[in-house]
Amino acid sequence: QQQVKQSPQSLIVQKGGISIINCAYENTAFDYFPWYQQFPGKGPALLIAIRPDVSEKKEGRFTISFNKSAKQFSLHIMDSQPGDSATYFCAPPGWYSGAGSYQLTFGKGTKLSVIP
Amino acid sequence: EAGVTQSPTHLIKTRGQQATLRCSPISGHTSVYWYQQALGLGLQFLLWYDEGEERNRGNFPPRFSGRQFPNYSSELNVNALELEDSALYLCASSAPGHLYEQYFGPGTRLTVT
Repeated sequence: QQQVKQSPQSLIVQKGGISIINCAYENTAFDYFPWYQQFPGKGPALLIAIRPDVSEKKEGRFTISFNKSAKQFSLHIMDSQPGDSATYFCAPPGWYSGAGSYQLTFGKGTKLSVIP
Repeated sequence: EAGVTQSPTHLIKTRGQQATLRCSPISGHTSVYWYQQALGLGLQFLLWYDEGEERNRGNFPPRFSGRQFPNYSSELNVNALELEDSALYLCASSAPGHLYEQYFGPGTRLTVT
């Protein structure tokens, strides 16, 4: 039931660089586009989210950009820091036929490593 | 404000046994979700409880079950454990009207031998 495809699977960025993670979706019923951040040994935490009525949202060093026509949304981390090293998940809610309701649909994750 | 708590942190069981995992949501949150995070598979939706009722379940067999108590805490039961049930089980909670803003606990690592 793959409705969300995340890329890349892993990413290595130098400190101070820009990290870009992409999420492609199929279900046009998605209307809320969040990114979650997960550190080793911890549960995921909501990082930033956007609704499709805007094309971009910025919170500090984190920016979501949304391309409705391409059915993609991306997470940009500016001035990447070693403390940003974590796994990132996109998780738009979509109709989940197995559950008969809308549920968050998580991508498989992108492991980001920021090296000093 | 206390976050979502889960117990135990780690659980080791033998194939065929039963496992019980527990979750306490954030105060004021009425919905509890259970997810399975197996290596390389992302998070798979398991169960959703709201106001004491099971609202929906994911594509998992009936031996995965649970319940939500009057204080909104929840437990997940896995019967007849199989080796492939080994995974991190995550619980999340959300406030009324904010179903997609889910707050996760640290998870229970279940190992089936």
